Amino acid sequence: QSVLTQPPSASGTPGQRVTISCSGSSSNIGGNAVNWYQQLPGTAPKLLIYSNDQRPSGVPDRVSGSKSGTSASLAISGLQSEDEADYYCATWDDSLNGYVFGSGTKVTVL
Amino acid sequence: EVQLVESGGGLVQPGGSLRLSCAASGFSFSNYNMNWVRQAPGKGLEWVSFISTGSSRIYYADSVRGRFTISRDNAKDSLYLQMSSLRAEDTAVYYCARRLSGISTSLDVWGKGTTVTVSS
Repeated sequence: QSVLTQPPSASGTPGQRVTISCSGSSSNIGGNAVNWYQQLPGTAPKLLIYSNDQRPSGVPDRVSGSKSGTSASLAISGLQSEDEADYYCATWDDSLNGYVFGSGTKVTVL
Repeated sequence: EVQLVESGGGLVQPGGSLRLSCAASGFSFSNYNMNWVRQAPGKGLEWVSFISTGSSRIYYADSVRGRFTISRDNAKDSLYLQMSSLRAEDTAVYYCARRLSGISTSLDVWGKGTTVTVSS
C-alpha cells in the first residue's frame, strides 16, 4: 500500500490533455515538494517534474506539475503516442524519514 | 556524459547475501547525495536507501532496515548496497539514482539497473 495515492490508469486520444492526481498527507506532500517520474516500458525512470512544477532541461512545456495542500497533479497536454508510459509521483515523508513513491499511473494513448 | 552503472545482481538463495555496486562517471560524485530504488517484477517503484555526500546521514526503508547497508567510496566514485538475509520479496531490479543538488529531493540521474533474484 503506497503512502501516495494515484489512479491506476489514465487515457486520452492524441492531442488531448491528461491529468494525473497524487494524494498524500501533511507529513509528505503537505510539507515537501513533489517530483514526477516517467518510466517507459523496459527502461529506467526519468525525472519529469521536480519541486512541484519545475521541468528539467529537455522536458517539453506541454508537461506541467502543480501542488495544492496535500495533493499534486501532473498534466500532459497535446498527448502523443510516445507519452505512453507509467508515471509516478514522489516526495520525502517526514514521519517515515524516507522517500515515498506513488503507486503509479499507466497512461494509454488511444 | 553523466552516467551511473549498476552491477553485482544475480541469483541468490533465500537467506543469502549480495553486494551491489554503482559506478558513477561524468560528474563530481562526492558532491551528490545518492539513493537506491528497486522495482519488483510488474510492480511500482520502491525507495530503498539514501546516503549523504559524506555518509553522515543514512536512511532506510522499513522493509530493508537491519538487513541492507548502504555505503559509498568517494575516492572510487562508487556507491554500494550490501544485502543480507535476502527474501523472495527482495527480488527486483535495483537502480542507483543521484539526488539533484540543492534542497530538491528529486532523483535526476538513474542507472539502467541490476536484477536481483532471490529463489531456491
